[in-house]
Amino acid sequence: AQSVTQLDSHVSVSEGTPVLLRCNYSSSYSPSLFWYVQHPNKGLQLLLKYTSAATLVKGINGFEAEFKKSETSFHLTKPSAHMSDAAEYFCVASGTYKYIFGTGTRLKVLA
Amino acid sequence: DTEVTQTPKHLVMGMTNKKSLKCEQHMGHRAMYWYKQKAKKPPELMFVYSYEKLSINESVPSRFSPECPNSSLLNLHLHALQPEDSALYLCASSQDRSSTGGPGEQYFGPGTRLTVT
Repeated sequence: AQSVTQLDSHVSVSEGTPVLLRCNYSSSYSPSLFWYVQHPNKGLQLLLKYTSAATLVKGINGFEAEFKKSETSFHLTKPSAHMSDAAEYFCVASGTYKYIFGTGTRLKVLA
Repeated sequence: DTEVTQTPKHLVMGMTNKKSLKCEQHMGHRAMYWYKQKAKKPPELMFVYSYEKLSINESVPSRFSPECPNSSLLNLHLHALQPEDSALYLCASSQDRSSTGGPGEQYFGPGTRLTVT
């Protein structure tokens, strides 16, 4: 069965320092993978997607993610955190008929 | 235009009320979704419409009744809800299928915050 594991429920970084949010997936095939961000009481916004083209995917707001098949990982990174990046982040795999969500990582950015 | 709109933003209803949530998209997407999201949890899929037909019902109680009047609109009719149904209700849309066969990338609306008293 497919599954998505977000390895950290909470991550705290200082403003201006790098961000790393970790995601591993389990699937019998290479799924489409997504990262979404959700600010408080808002909907989910698509940050980036992997669909079997380039393994390094660039998204909006300076985020990028690298698909590593050998490690079944799709970690999200950003070189320099901004206060506005504080939010909940979901790693998502496209299952056979529906999205498979990770449990989310709450990113806190310290001034 | 990559926007999905939802109305109302907030809704408070009693357990005997009947109300409806509305969702609209103008991206030409042929799949539309309803999700329920409780605090500090990921969204849970409720229903999927594909080409205006209900294709997936994730064993949702009958007090939730979806409707897709046309390819741009999705409604969720609510009746006799319970306090535990209080949540953020999210609508999303996508192209019907991705190249791998699963659901394509989904665009989410801002949600309706529902409180059942």
